[in-house]
Formats: sequence, structure tokens, C-alpha cells
Amino acid sequence: DTEVTQTPKHLVMGMTNKKSLKCEQHMGHRAMYWYKQKAKKPPELMFVYSYEKLSINESVPSRFSPECPNSSLLNLHLHALQPEDSALYLCASARGANVLTFGAGSRLTVL
Amino acid sequence: GESVGLHLPTLSVQEGDNSIINCAYSNSASDYFIWYKQESGKGPQFIIDIRSNMDKRQGQRVTVLLNKTVKHLSLQIAATQPGDSAVYFCAEIPYSGGGADGLTFGKGTHLIIQP
Repeated sequence: DTEVTQTPKHLVMGMTNKKSLKCEQHMGHRAMYWYKQKAKKPPELMFVYSYEKLSINESVPSRFSPECPNSSLLNLHLHALQPEDSALYLCASARGANVLTFGAGSRLTVL
Repeated sequence: GESVGLHLPTLSVQEGDNSIINCAYSNSASDYFIWYKQESGKGPQFIIDIRSNMDKRQGQRVTVLLNKTVKHLSLQIAATQPGDSAVYFCAEIPYSGGGADGLTFGKGTHLIIQP
């Protein structure tokens, strides 16, 4: 199994909603990442988890809250988002400082 | 600031021709470079990588060249096919002692294959 699975594929939410994006991998990778990608732009790093501990937070607003329940799962909790937060959210995993394997992404629209 | 960038936002080539996508980087401490392909509606997909102690690496129909003197990276795709149409990103990992710091992506080049 060499996949990173993200759910949901599409999410529409209002600015007062609370929702979560989920990511799962079973490759034994101990580093997991959240990236944000706007249209026609490269992915931008948001968070890095290494061995289930948050190691990098790229100054992301607190309305985005990551969680790593175990070595296979990574969540991104969303609350009080703004329309400008609409984007493709990509999860990735890696074995240390190595090639990142990306999921297909969750397309988020904030109304 | 330091960044990884690309020279051309869009590249259009005829099917069957070879294509070259370029990337300039400014962090001389970068140790590892990766090319990703991203098709519409999908996440980035690994194509090929190269370490800073190499000048060239070949894969199936793809070749990556690294020129550390001018901090330039290129991806050559031979005999392009319609399925090669995508956005191509170069990405770098600075040397970090093996830590998981994530990738820094360049701006991307949209490769269009004309029939």
C-alpha cells in the first residue's frame, strides 16, 4: 500500500462551521505534512509532524488546528474559516528527509 | 529571500517532441532536489530526484540535470505524450541532518502537449 488517502475530496462550509479534514497512510512513514495550495500556485507548507509530534508550524492562523492521533493518521480541524481559506489542502508523508508522497487533496470552499 | 523558481510559466510542445523545463534555485545549501508532476484535480506525483553530489540522473523518458555552479535544475522529457500535460514543480530540501522539514516548491511550469 503506497498511498496517502485524504477525505473528504470536496468540502463546502460556512464561516461559522466546524469541520475536519482527514489523512491516512500505511507506509510506515513517521513524518506527515499539511500543505495548502491556491489555484495556479505551488503548495505551501502549513504543518509538519515528526513521530506524532508537531515539529513545524509555518505561522498558520489558529483557525487551523492539526492533530496526529497516531502514526498513520493526520487531521486538520477547521473552525471559523474565511473565504480566502478556500483552497486545495494536501496531505503528504515521508520517511525522514526524503521524497514526500502526496494525497489527492481535499478541495475546500468557504462560503 | 531564498526561493526556488521557474523561468517559464507555460510551455507548449508538439506531441512526440522533447521538452525541457527549467528551474533556478538560490539556496546554495540545498542538498536534494525533486521534480513533481501535478495533473488537474490531483496531488503532486514524484517524477525523479537528484542529490547535490550528482550532475545528472535518468529515469524512464525523463532526465534531470543539476548545475550547482549557476544553481540551475532542468527536467527533460523525451518523446512527449498527451499524458505528460500537467504542471511541473521543482522542489528542494535543504540539508537538515535528516530532519523532516518539508519541501519548498518552485512556481511551477504548465506543460501543454499539442496533438
